[in-house]
Amino acid sequence: DQQVKQNSPSLSVQEGRISILNCDYTNSMFDYFLWYKKYPAEGPTFLISISSIKDKNEDGRFTVFLNKSAKHLSLHIVPSQPGDSAVYFCAASADRGSTLGRLYFGRGTQLTVWP
Amino acid sequence: DVKVTQSSRYLVKRTGEKVFLECVQDMDHENMFWYRQDPGLGLRLIYFSYDVKMKEKGDIPEGYSVSREKKERFSLILESASTNQTSMYLCASSGGTVIGETQYFGPGTRLLVL
Repeated sequence: DQQVKQNSPSLSVQEGRISILNCDYTNSMFDYFLWYKKYPAEGPTFLISISSIKDKNEDGRFTVFLNKSAKHLSLHIVPSQPGDSAVYFCAASADRGSTLGRLYFGRGTQLTVWP
Repeated sequence: DVKVTQSSRYLVKRTGEKVFLECVQDMDHENMFWYRQDPGLGLRLIYFSYDVKMKEKGDIPEGYSVSREKKERFSLILESASTNQTSMYLCASSGGTVIGETQYFGPGTRLLVL
């Protein structure tokens, strides 16, 4: 059973507009969340993260919002650029048990930014 | 700058062959991971390791084994390759037991089993 869910397999956005990618999780033990970006034929690269003690983290054009009560996070990209076209993976981590350091990944959302 | 390298970018093997995928990291990371990526299924964890000679099963370990004889090297072994193991294989490493430690990925190995 997937503990991290990205329910939109794809998203298409015009250049300059906002891209919003969503992620839901089921495990209340998760306390750290990450977003990765992946281009075809390359490994995923770390984009931005957020701890559960925060509800927002910003890095340039990228902002991640966390709503713990709803077990929901989102990645906002403003403004979107064609180079942002990639698959985006949401990931989560828990601090208890023997799987310390393990990340749980969603299935990814393919973002396409068109001119 | 963290660097994770994988021995091959593309590999073609025949059913029943034994396949070795090698991963090396240069940042003295304790943790190493093997995933496979398939369309619509995201990244699925096969095996991981927190220390030399230590290994733990991930979500889909069947048909695979691993070896970690040195801290910097983590090998994935397909004992008898099958067509359903055709996939993109990704290795990752992370630095320690800090909560949510970021994992750094290699470029991936695209394996085709005929």
